[in-house]
Amino acid sequence: QITLKESGPTLVKPTQTLTLTCTFSGFSLSSSGAGVGWIRQPPGEALEWLALIYWDDDKRYSPSLKSRLTITKDTSKNQVVLIMTDVDPVDTATYFCAHVRRTSPRYFFDYWGQGTLVTVSS
Amino acid sequence: DIQMTQSPSTLSASVGDRVTITCRASQSVSSWLAWYQQKPGKAPNLLMYKASGLESGVPSRFSGSGSGTEFTLTISSLQPDDFATYYCQQYNNFPWTFGQGTKVEIK
Repeated sequence: QITLKESGPTLVKPTQTLTLTCTFSGFSLSSSGAGVGWIRQPPGEALEWLALIYWDDDKRYSPSLKSRLTITKDTSKNQVVLIMTDVDPVDTATYFCAHVRRTSPRYFFDYWGQGTLVTVSS
Repeated sequence: DIQMTQSPSTLSASVGDRVTITCRASQSVSSWLAWYQQKPGKAPNLLMYKASGLESGVPSRFSGSGSGTEFTLTISSLQPDDFATYYCQQYNNFPWTFGQGTKVEIK
C-alpha cells in the first residue's frame, strides 16, 4: 500500500526559504521506474505541477519556478524534499506530494499525500 | 507550455443525470491524459489515465475518451458521492499541466 505525507512549516515569512518533506511508504525510490512529484494548489484555485524526481535522480522542474526550486531524495529515509527560495504571499497554497506510476513510456500521478497548507505572510 | 482548458467551469446536475466534462489541449498530448476528482479539503483522486484507462476501484459509471487535443470525462449516472471538482492533466510533455477544474454542483 502506497502512502505519502507532507510535512513542513505552516507559516513562512516573505523572502524566506521554504523546505517541505514528503515521507512515503509502500515503494522504494531506488527501484527502477519510481518517482515522486510536488504539486500545489492556492486556496480556491487550480492545481499546479512544481517538480518531479525519478529513481535515477533525473529531476524536472516547472520552468516558471525553476530558479527557486530544488528537489532532492533520500532513499534511505524514504523521503523527498522540496526547497523553495525567496517565497512570496502568492506562494500561499496547499502543497501535495504524489507518487508517479510508469506506463511506458510515460508516467503519471496515482497516489497523493493529504497535502500541507503553507501560508506566506509577515 | 501546453494549456489545458476545461468546460464548463461549473456544472449543475441532479442525481441520475448523465454528465460530460470536456478538456481541450493547446497542442496534441496523444492519449497521455489523466482525470482526477477532488473534494473540498482533500487530495485529488485518480479516476482515469491514458485518456480512457479506468483506475482500479473507480466505479464503472466513469468513462473517458479522446486523443490528441480533445478529451471527455463522462459520468453515466451521477451519484451523490460524485459532487466534486474534476481536473484533467496532460503528462505528454513537461511541464505537466492541469486544467482549471470543473465543479459539479447539485442542481
